[in-house]
Amino acid sequence: GAVVSQHPSWVICKSGTSVKIECRSLDFQATTMFWYRQFPKQSLMLMATSNEGSKATYEQGVEKDKFLINHASLTLSTLTVTSAHPEDSSFYICSAKTDTSTDTQYFGPGTRLTVL
Amino acid sequence: KNQVEQSPQSLIILEGKNCTLQCNYTVSPFSNLRWYKQDTGRGPVSLTIMTFSENTKSNGRYTATLDADTKQSSLHITASQLSDSASYICVVSVKGSNYKLTFGKGTLLTVNP
Repeated sequence: GAVVSQHPSWVICKSGTSVKIECRSLDFQATTMFWYRQFPKQSLMLMATSNEGSKATYEQGVEKDKFLINHASLTLSTLTVTSAHPEDSSFYICSAKTDTSTDTQYFGPGTRLTVL
Repeated sequence: KNQVEQSPQSLIILEGKNCTLQCNYTVSPFSNLRWYKQDTGRGPVSLTIMTFSENTKSNGRYTATLDADTKQSSLHITASQLSDSASYICVVSVKGSNYKLTFGKGTLLTVNP
C-alpha cells in the first residue's frame, strides 16, 4: 500500500516552454502533498507543500509564479514549471501524506527534467 | 539551524562485507529519524524509523541505531549485496511545523563484486 506515482518519469523540453508533472497517490487519499527538487549529489530540497483544495505554501526562494502547484483532488497534485530554463533542469520528486496527524511521507519515483 | 550531516559522503565496499553509515543532527524539537534508500533516478524508500525512545531498529540486513543524547544515528548494512548500491539518506522530522523533514545529503554506497 501507500504507492505514489509520477508522470512523466523523464521529460526533455526546449527553453521557454512549460512542463507539467503529475503526482498521484494510487491507493490512498493524500491530504497533503509535497514537491521536492534534487540536484546531482545534493539532498532533497522542499519546494512547496500543498493541501487539497487550498493554495500551496512555498519555501523561501521558490518562485510561486514559476512553479505552479495545483492540488485539485485528494489523489492528484501537479507541478507546472513555466517558461523553463536550463537551470530548472533537475530531479523533481513528490511525496504524499495520508493525514495531518502523521509525518510519514510516501515518495514518488521522481521526474527527471532536462531543459535544452 | 536544523541540520543533518552524514558521513562518509561516499563509500565503496566489496560484496558480502558489512558497512556502517553515520548521521549527526541538530534538529530540534526532534520527532523521529528515518533512513531512506534512494536508487539512482528513483525516489527514496523508507528503511527504518525511530522515535526518541528507540535505540535500535532492524529491517532485514539493515540495522539503525539512535543516540538521542548525542544526536547521532548509524545505519549498519550486513552482508552487502550488489543491489545495496544506492544513496542512503538520513532524514529527521521536526515536531510541530507540520512535521517538516530535514534531509541529509546522503552517503553514496557502491558495492562491487
